Amino acid sequence: GAVVSQHPSWVICKSGTSVKIECRSLDFQATTMFWYRQFPKQSLMLMATSNEGSKATYEQGVEKDKFLINHASLTLSTLTVTSAHPEDSSFYICSASKDYPVGEQYFGPGTRLTVT
Amino acid sequence: DQQVKQNSPSLSVQEGRISILNCDYTNSMFDYFLWYKKYPAEGPTFLISISSIKDKNEDGRFTVFLNKSAKHLSLHIVPSQPGDSAVYFCAASARETSGSRLTFGEGTQLTVNP
Repeated sequence: GAVVSQHPSWVICKSGTSVKIECRSLDFQATTMFWYRQFPKQSLMLMATSNEGSKATYEQGVEKDKFLINHASLTLSTLTVTSAHPEDSSFYICSASKDYPVGEQYFGPGTRLTVT
Repeated sequence: DQQVKQNSPSLSVQEGRISILNCDYTNSMFDYFLWYKKYPAEGPTFLISISSIKDKNEDGRFTVFLNKSAKHLSLHIVPSQPGDSAVYFCAASARETSGSRLTFGEGTQLTVNP
């Protein structure tokens, strides 16, 4: 159990357009989902934490108007990159957390976004 | 402020030998530590974890050691296998104050040579 999927796995878009990435927990209910981005050869940087039915909590330096997060159900969270620019090109990874044990997250396979 | 640090960006070992990956942290509020394995263009896969009330946790070929006084933990893989070649991330959480929120280290690329 504890499978998390992401869609799409990769996307190429033009500068100025918006892109939506979906994160689903397939076999468990995730009250909390997390969104990370990773630049080449760097660590995973937490962007935001989302709890089902409430507003996401963004990390310092992350623009909430640019990275819109919606956690509409216990199995689905979406990240929308609005008005994407080339510097938004990155690997975006989501994770989902069960209630117990606290601290254990299950990660999706990631989405490679390239903005041209 | 990098609260979780993996000072070795890479490590190379021979198949069958022990791999030791190290991690240091600065935040004394961290009480739960995890190791993840990651292949390129994939999400991290959970390997093993340890609570701050323990100093060792073992699961098959993987053992994590925690030295709270030194704020240091290590992951031992023995015997190492070529399939273990990947990037290993150390992560920490402060469950009392931050719940499931994880802080990751920079990762160590492990290469196991046949």
